[in-house]
Amino acid sequence: EPEVTQTPSHQVTQMGQEVILRCVPISNHLYFYWYRQILGQKVEFLVSFYNNEISEKSEIFDDQFSVERPDGSNFTLKIRSTKLEDSAMYFCASSEWGVVGEKLFFGSGTQLSVL
Amino acid sequence: GDSVTQMEGPVTLSEEAFLTINCTYTATGYPSLFWYVQYPGEGLQLLLKATKADDKGSNKGFEATYRKETTSFHLEKGSVQVSDSAVYFCALEPQETSGSRLTFGEGTQLTVNP
Repeated sequence: EPEVTQTPSHQVTQMGQEVILRCVPISNHLYFYWYRQILGQKVEFLVSFYNNEISEKSEIFDDQFSVERPDGSNFTLKIRSTKLEDSAMYFCASSEWGVVGEKLFFGSGTQLSVL
Repeated sequence: GDSVTQMEGPVTLSEEAFLTINCTYTATGYPSLFWYVQYPGEGLQLLLKATKADDKGSNKGFEATYRKETTSFHLEKGSVQVSDSAVYFCALEPQETSGSRLTFGEGTQLTVNP
């Protein structure tokens, strides 16, 4: 089965630094997502992206966050100035049509640790 | 707003035992309901889904029935295997949206011992 690939698997950074988390969605998919899971808490939606623009974002996704599809294959999440509370597992996902009830394909996640 | 509540975890069972993981939800209308599973070191994978009331989703011996009257989507399996050890997430997608914005439950860690 096709896979969503995320790199790196672990990222350690100092508070205030910028980080970029990278994802390669499935090649024929059109919709892309970022979710995160803080340790011991629920998986939370951050943002969805379609046709080179954000289609929906949660209240978590403030001005410190941005997403980009810099080329035909990568999808990135940037955090401009990391805070301790940004420490979490970040999951990228993609889907083909973005319709209700459709299956999402998730990557294995990037564990971000902010020190 | 929408929410999903899963039973308190973790759950530890012996092989061939019966499994139930409870999931209840709060949402308007008729959301789509999902169970995702995360095996160690892997991403979340769709296990099964149901998109309308009274639908039963099934896969790999797991089943869950969409119960509108009790706003529930409990996951069941008649005989678990060691290979079923994983974290199980219940999730919903609102009826009125597109773009697959999922609301997840807390996740339930299942450990099956031989």
